[in-house]
Amino acid sequence: GDSVTQTEGPVTLPERAALTLNCTYQSSYSTFLFWYVQYLNKEPELLLKSSENQETDSRGFQASPIKSDSSFHLEKPSVQLSDSAVYYCALRDFKAAGNKLTFGGGTRVLVKP
Amino acid sequence: EAGVAQSPRYKIIEKRQSVAFWCNPISGHATLYWYQQILGQGPKLLIQFQNNGVVDDSQLPKDRFSAERLKGVDSTLKIQPAKLEDSAVYLCASSLGISGNTIYFGEGSWLTVV
Repeated sequence: GDSVTQTEGPVTLPERAALTLNCTYQSSYSTFLFWYVQYLNKEPELLLKSSENQETDSRGFQASPIKSDSSFHLEKPSVQLSDSAVYYCALRDFKAAGNKLTFGGGTRVLVKP
Repeated sequence: EAGVAQSPRYKIIEKRQSVAFWCNPISGHATLYWYQQILGQGPKLLIQFQNNGVVDDSQLPKDRFSAERLKGVDSTLKIQPAKLEDSAVYLCASSLGISGNTIYFGEGSWLTVV
């Protein structure tokens, strides 16, 4: 079945530091890839999504799918305090029943002043 | 545009009791999902509806969990009897369809089983 593996958290970094969160996935078929962000006590919300071979950019975050190693790493060159949250990588497999959205375990990010 | 509505927001029950959660998706969204999110983990899909039909319920513990979407709009998730390990946030979500459309989540129903 499908699976998503993410950077082990928590990740703690100072303001304006560069952030990279790793995401690798296993899927036998074409997929849509997503990053969701979940702020404290809030629901997950879409941060960015990508079809194959297309880099996307949202709120200063970027992610580019690399099919050769099944990765979809999330990057931001300079983080802000408001970026403290849990980040989930997820995939939708076109062949799965109902194109199920499968989430990784999440990576907690804490940005300190 | 109104988002996904859920109720109740918070519920505390004793083990072996029953509980029901209600969800109203975004207007026009044909696909509705129930996810379970245990503290510190990513959301796990319990059941997915396309209109009023079940598309995927492979991870729904059918001996105690049930869900319905009779008229293809709002949905109810029931747990009977509840166990301690059912303590989690139950997230309802919806999307236009089952392709690559964005999934939008509600604020969740927080369940504590004591």
